[in-house]
Amino acid sequence: DAKTTQPPSMDCAEGRAANLPCNHSTISGNEYVYWYRQIHSQGPQYIIHGLKNNETNEMASLIITEDRKSSTLILPHATLRDTAVYYCIVIPNAGNMLTFGGGTRLMVKP
Amino acid sequence: GAVVSQHPSWVICKSGTSVKIECRSLDFQATTMFWYRQFPKKSLMLMATSNEGSKATYEQGVEKDKFLINHASLTLSTLTVTSAHPEDSSFYICSALRQGGNSPLHFGNGTRLTVT
Repeated sequence: DAKTTQPPSMDCAEGRAANLPCNHSTISGNEYVYWYRQIHSQGPQYIIHGLKNNETNEMASLIITEDRKSSTLILPHATLRDTAVYYCIVIPNAGNMLTFGGGTRLMVKP
Repeated sequence: GAVVSQHPSWVICKSGTSVKIECRSLDFQATTMFWYRQFPKKSLMLMATSNEGSKATYEQGVEKDKFLINHASLTLSTLTVTSAHPEDSSFYICSALRQGGNSPLHFGNGTRLTVT
């Protein structure tokens, strides 16, 4: 799997957008960018994924740079329940096993 | 859809006993399931890949005789921690891959094992 780099922690005010960056400078052309999050003492939860186009769903938006070397996960209106560790992972295709790095611990504050 | 159920959610057992953890895909068939382990404040580490009807593939450093994996059907995989010791205390998480689809992995909610 290509390596990803994420900041270890971030804070965000409740109601504001949370922008979580991820660097994946060695990503290959056939590798997808996946985002998961893990709330304390629960299993990881799938958020969103993309190949090269920006994606949006009910949970978040994913912005991938044109060169695909980095991406940003956007939670448009963060709530206290969005406090979690967010993992950015790149894999060749859906269904591969996931290798988790350190992730970003997002703390949403009132 | 894509619900993965893991049972039990927590278990306490004595040293030397064995513990079985079940992972079920509730609304889809899963040819492949993955078992992870997570220590406090650490990331998930893959233990083994479980394919329906065949032997599991273990990651380096994971003892296959200690962590027995059975994937007898397309909706159920089990992890048995045999002769558990306190150092086996951890958070165990499974994930399941939908058969035939190009869909994301979905995870169970984990099992917290405490060995006393």
